[in-house]
Amino acid sequence: SQQGEEDPQALSIQEGENATMNCSYKTSINNLQWYRQNSGRGLVHLILIRSNEREKHSGRLRVTLDTSKKSSSLLITASRAADTASYFCATGAYSGAGSYQLTFGKGTKLSVIP
Amino acid sequence: DAGVTQSPTHLIKTRGQQVTLRCSPISGHKSVSWYQQVLGQGPQFIFQYYEKEERGRGNFPDRFSARQFPNYSSELNVNALLLGDSALYLCASSLYTGVRNTEAFFGQGTRLTVV
Repeated sequence: SQQGEEDPQALSIQEGENATMNCSYKTSINNLQWYRQNSGRGLVHLILIRSNEREKHSGRLRVTLDTSKKSSSLLITASRAADTASYFCATGAYSGAGSYQLTFGKGTKLSVIP
Repeated sequence: DAGVTQSPTHLIKTRGQQVTLRCSPISGHKSVSWYQQVLGQGPQFIFQYYEKEERGRGNFPDRFSARQFPNYSSELNVNALLLGDSALYLCASSLYTGVRNTEAFFGQGTRLTVV
């Protein structure tokens, strides 16, 4: 089942603008990771934020996490045409049996228009 | 260093057949997980293996099985294929499990089409 829900489902912006994607989840987590996927191929890891962190930066990416609201956001600044892709949030959780799994949302499809 | 490698990249099978997908994790990574991604959806967890033992299993039928080898590579097997098994199968490797928060890195996937 899908835990995360990304919002919006699709986003179209002009090159140079900022893009913000949101993710909500339902259960407690150990971490939250954001991924990019181009044309239905493999997932590229963007950033991991731990449950005790509130904000994290990596280059043009800024991720926030609000565990009280069970939500996260991904901000891409100064977008480029090459940022056109689907973006997924994935919540990571460990079980007592030592199992670790990621639960993904349905993704946000970002289109950056040159 | 090579990333996560999966083979084959594409596969076409007939209903009822069996398929084996392969994954080599990043060097030094001992945890391998498998995910299924159908068109328009996010990936769904199938299995996790760590140190050659199954550590987790998602909500998939017994037709799905997997194993991890001493070199930490892994195979996913699907028996009695159904049309609904058509999907992108993704393998992820990570450094640890159950101890610390670690990133999971994915391969390019195997696109399975069942006809």
